[in-house]
Amino acid sequence: EVQLVESGGALVQPGRSLRLSCAASGFTFGDYAMHWVRQAPGKGLEWVSGIIWNSGVIGYADSVKGRFTISRDNAKNSLYLQMDSLRPEDTALYYCGKDGNTGALGYFYGVDVWGQGTTVTVFS
Amino acid sequence: EIVLTQSPGTLSLSPGERAALSCRASQSVSSGYLAWYQHRPGQAPRLLIYGASSRASGIPDKFSGSGSGTDFTLTISRLEPEDFAVYYCQQYGTSPFTFGPGTKVDIK
Repeated sequence: EVQLVESGGALVQPGRSLRLSCAASGFTFGDYAMHWVRQAPGKGLEWVSGIIWNSGVIGYADSVKGRFTISRDNAKNSLYLQMDSLRPEDTALYYCGKDGNTGALGYFYGVDVWGQGTTVTVFS
Repeated sequence: EIVLTQSPGTLSLSPGERAALSCRASQSVSSGYLAWYQHRPGQAPRLLIYGASSRASGIPDKFSGSGSGTDFTLTISRLEPEDFAVYYCQQYGTSPFTFGPGTKVDIK
């Protein structure tokens, strides 16, 4: 069964850091691009960042650029999101998502597998 | 950044009716890389359509996507109770990949 399980969400104060992890199973992790998508309370979906199969970074949302860093470890079937200088507006449910393609040469498919999410709350 | 606008914000329909959801982009979506997702409360989003018009694996043919350039449409031919949800479009042709604000389809 294809599965993504996020972890690392927590209650933190503004300015602090947090690292989210996503453990993948049931598919060849290193063959696919991966994404982080978040949903703030009562709001819509927001693409946060993405990374292609070979760790090339697709990019970041303007709202997190310079503060968040995406990475992956294909040997550990894991995706990460390092979040620094957290702000109250980063409070959200963070989803890990698998793309249906590698991302090589700009080929993507959309997020065809989603985790259940991990909650980050930034409060003062 | 490509901004996506979805309309209407809310669509109130009865089971059995047809739904047409619009997604408009602020600039042309590269390679037709436009996806539609269904999001039910308490669940993870679900990919319905990729590449503007291709159904994802396991998606019934009552869902169809069309459009190109800056104007895209998701059509649900006959609404069933499980189809009442929020629908998002996403462009993934130009970084940053962006989502629209969503259209809520609720029961009239």
